[in-house]
Amino acid sequence: NAGVTQTPKFRVLKTGQSMTLLCAQDMNHEYMYWYRQDPGMGLRLIHYSVGEGTTAKGEVPDGYNVSRLKKQNFLLGLESAAPSQTSVYFCASSYSTGRQEQYFGPGTRLTVT
Amino acid sequence: EDQVTQSPEALRLQEGESSSLNCSYTVSGLRGLFWYRQDPGKGPEFLFTLYSAGEEKEKERLKATLTKKESFLHITAPKPEDSATYLCAVQPSTSGTYKYIFGTGTRLKVLA
Repeated sequence: NAGVTQTPKFRVLKTGQSMTLLCAQDMNHEYMYWYRQDPGMGLRLIHYSVGEGTTAKGEVPDGYNVSRLKKQNFLLGLESAAPSQTSVYFCASSYSTGRQEQYFGPGTRLTVT
Repeated sequence: EDQVTQSPEALRLQEGESSSLNCSYTVSGLRGLFWYRQDPGKGPEFLFTLYSAGEEKEKERLKATLTKKESFLHITAPKPEDSATYLCAVQPSTSGTYKYIFGTGTRLKVLA
């Protein structure tokens, strides 16, 4: 099992450019999440999905969009990148019931100049 | 407001010097409390889940305990490879099962 994978690992964008971060999981988890991690702050939820075809806003959704067309994939899009979106982005997944620990991907380090 | 506070922010130990990390939480109801380990440049790695006060879980040199207000991660005779950031997260029972509140972590450095 690969677990949770993310691409790319690193990316540098100029202000106003767009990009998509890809997340895939092979554990048949119902729930998937996108977080950002910034120095001195806990992981903050951007968007999440409770199943294929469904998405919802988390704590800090502005400037991001997501899609979950297949159960195993969760995409995070930045339409017009801003320097405030410089961060490390983590994708995670979990079951909806029972054991609900989250499994995280390796992260994407994004710099917006 | 639901809140998670971890202390200390950073901790330096000599190899073999046991200590404890603290995770204090304020939630109206607890569904679960999770401990993760995060190595530099990597994603958090799941360690333990605790569900009710009095519960304990162990794995190698790590032992997690839970009370109604806080959790401790006890590290016994640590080794340099235990150096990492340890994150605590709480899942409130009054919110959807998607919601987890993370602390800012304790950076542990174990010196040989």
